[in-house]
Amino acid sequence: QKEVEQDPGPLSVPEGAIVSLNCTYSNSAFQYFMWYRQYSRKGPELLMYTYSSGNKEDGRFTAQVDKSSKYISLFIRDSQPSDSATYLCAMSADQAGTALIFGKGTTLSVSS
Amino acid sequence: EAQVTQNPRYLITVTGKKLTVTCSQNMNHEYMSWYRQDPGLGLRQIYYSMNVEVTDKGDVPEGYKVSRKEKRNFPLILESPSPNQTSLYFCASRLGTGVNSPLHFGNGTRLTVT
Repeated sequence: QKEVEQDPGPLSVPEGAIVSLNCTYSNSAFQYFMWYRQYSRKGPELLMYTYSSGNKEDGRFTAQVDKSSKYISLFIRDSQPSDSATYLCAMSADQAGTALIFGKGTTLSVSS
Repeated sequence: EAQVTQNPRYLITVTGKKLTVTCSQNMNHEYMSWYRQDPGLGLRQIYYSMNVEVTDKGDVPEGYKVSRKEKRNFPLILESPSPNQTSLYFCASRLGTGVNSPLHFGNGTRLTVT
């Protein structure tokens, strides 16, 4: 079993939809969780960071961590065509974060 | 503008011909790292550097070398490239070692080894 599993999609939704993106992981030592967004022909950029379990909200984006289930989610409300990108989850067991483990990424397409 | 600059963006080469992909950042970041991104495998770390003259292996270091002689530069060296090193490569940097500090990525180098 891979350390981090992420459904690659693609996921296609209409504008305004609520999107749920998910990752599961096997290493219970992971405590730091991130979501990166990657537009086509660009490098990834950090979208959300959360520590341990709980929710974090930033505008239309909500990151959720359930450590008991080893499951993290990113919710996008009122999705826009500009949200069309690949979303990668990333995790680290230590605060130094020298070796992030990335998921394979989920490709999202939002149509207007 | 704060950025991580990789060169070249595209590179086609032949097996065994040594090449260097350059990476430079203008943000005075201590931490720098190289990743490769392959379909179905995602982003995997090749090497990272915590500061000048301090480098360490990531998950897939075989066939690669790095050096960190200056804080701003972190070149990736393929001494004898092989077709299985055909991939999309990203350099990234971060201020300090805290995982809550965002990684800043370059725009990638697409390498094809024939």
